[in-house]
Amino acid sequence: EPEVTQTPSHQVTQMGQEVILRCVPISNHLYFYWYRQILGQKVEFLVSFYNNEISEKSEIFDDQFSVERPDGSNFTLKIRSTKLEDSAMYFCASSVAAQETQYFGPGTRLLVL
Amino acid sequence: GESVGLHLPTLSVQEGDNSIINCAYSNSASDYFIWYKQESGKGPQFIIDIRSNMDKRQGQRVTVLLNKTVKHLSLQIAATQPGDSAVYFCAETANDYKLSFGAGTTVTVRA
Repeated sequence: EPEVTQTPSHQVTQMGQEVILRCVPISNHLYFYWYRQILGQKVEFLVSFYNNEISEKSEIFDDQFSVERPDGSNFTLKIRSTKLEDSAMYFCASSVAAQETQYFGPGTRLLVL
Repeated sequence: GESVGLHLPTLSVQEGDNSIINCAYSNSASDYFIWYKQESGKGPQFIIDIRSNMDKRQGQRVTVLLNKTVKHLSLQIAATQPGDSAVYFCAETANDYKLSFGAGTTVTVRA
């Protein structure tokens, strides 16, 4: 069964450093998403991406965040200058169409020191 | 404002019994609802979904009920098994893209 994959599974970084989180969505899916989950809290929407552009973003997704689909398979989330409060699990998701089921990857645990 | 929430943060159930997990939402424009299961250290796993033109949908051992009048969603798990122990989230969307998640209910199955 196809699934969303994410790398790395864990990332430790120093405050102020840039990180890139990578995702490979399900191959026939056209919509891509990033969510985050701070430890013990609910999953929060960050951004959605379709047709090589952002379709919607939350207030969390400020100028320090960016997304890119650099090739036909990868979907990346970049945090330019990490802050302590960026520490969280970051989940990538994809769906075949809008208003269809979003399937989530296993997540990247980001720890900012 | 928009919010999605669960009635109880924890649920302990005896193996073999049925489980009912509840969720309230406030956005009357929400038209698509999903239940996810999250095991420790993993991503949310799709369980079942329902659209606003339905009030009940059944899957394998799971049933989702939607009451739009009172903005209430529930997940019923029949014959709960130890592998059902996890955190369960309801999520809803009123547009094409963003899912709004509830806070989650931790289900613990007693042997």
